[in-house]
Formats: sequence, structure tokens, C-alpha cells
Amino acid sequence: SAVISQKPSRDICQRGTSLTIQCQVDSQVTMMFWYRQQPGQSLTLIATANQGSEATYESGFVIDKFPISRPNLTFSTLTVSNMSPEDSSIYLCSVDQDSSYNEQFFGPGTRLTVL
Amino acid sequence: QKEVEQNSGPLSVPEGAIASLNCTYSDRVSQSFFWYRQYSGKSPELIMSIYSNGDKEDGRFTAQLNKASQYVSLLIRDSQPSDSATYLCAVNHSNDMRFGAGTRLTVKP
Repeated sequence: SAVISQKPSRDICQRGTSLTIQCQVDSQVTMMFWYRQQPGQSLTLIATANQGSEATYESGFVIDKFPISRPNLTFSTLTVSNMSPEDSSIYLCSVDQDSSYNEQFFGPGTRLTVL
Repeated sequence: QKEVEQNSGPLSVPEGAIASLNCTYSDRVSQSFFWYRQYSGKSPELIMSIYSNGDKEDGRFTAQLNKASQYVSLLIRDSQPSDSATYLCAVNHSNDMRFGAGTRLTVKP
């Protein structure tokens, strides 16, 4: 499977600021996704990062709060804007290398704490 | 009704026993089914994929799928303390992946 890295691995931020999380894959992939995992809970899909077009957001998530870029087939960013303590969470990117099987592989995650 | 349901546990089994993890899903047209293992503080790791009814074995792991009953399970044979983790069931339909809340498994030496 692809090797996926995320930066930063963790951060502590002040309320009202923004943080951009990067996801880098060592090979081209068809699909990239962004998830949030709040403490003690399961994964919630934020959006699908589409190469060359606007991301597709899930219900409850909006572009103004979570702008996403995907300039090519190996890289994506997620920005958490105007942060509040409720945004404290682990943010994970995942990739699907072969849409025939729908298998998703996850990056190591970014642990965000908002004070 | 939650889309993907799992018993949250904790499920505790002795070393060497069989651990049985269960999952039900609500979307009847789901096509792909997955089990992920997540150690504390780590990201989910894909351990099994299953696409058709029946059993699929990989080492000590067996996934079972029954689409008529909308049920998928994971059996772990000869459980080891290193299997202690949270196991997430995931169900996919047309690139829409939904995760269960996870079952926490503890294997006691």
C-alpha cells in the first residue's frame, strides 16, 4: 500500500486561528479523503478531496470552515479555520489507490488541540 | 438507526481464545466491507476486506459476510495480547465509507 505522511503530527492552537494540515502520498492515488476522529469516537468523513476541482463535503461540514486543496494526485491540504475548542480532534487523511476495491489506507493523523 | 453498529465492548478474552467481533449495517446496497484495527494513539490499519457472502480467511483472521442479514463479523483465532486494540467495522457504497463506533478488545495473558 501507499506510504502516507501528514504534517504536522500534532499542534496546539489558539482559538480563532487557522491550521493547515498536509497529506503527502508516495504514489499517485485516485481518491483522497479527510476524516475527523474526536476523542473516544469513531471516524467521521469531512470531505472527499477531488483533484482539480472543489472538494465534496459531507453534511455538517462546509468549505468556509474546512477548505481543502488537492493540486495533484499525491498531495492534499485541509485547513481548519477560525478554530474553537470543539475543533480539538484527530484529523486523518486516507487514500484509495484502486477504486475497484474501495480499500482506504490512513495516514498517521494530526492531533489538534485548540485552547 | 445508526448506519453501522458495533458493540462498543470492552470485549475481554484470554490469550489463545477466539475473539468474535460483530457488526450490522443498514444500507442494503452496500458493496464492500472492511475491518480496521486501531491501537491507542495510532491511526486505523486495514486488516480485512470482504466483498461477497461467506468466509474469508487471512492468517489468524476470518471475516464473515451475510448480506441477507446485513451482518459482518471478524474472528480472531489464537488471540494474542498484541491483538488488544479497537476494531472498526466499515461499510462502503459507491466510495461512501461509513464506520462503526468500534469494539475495544482486550486479550489477557
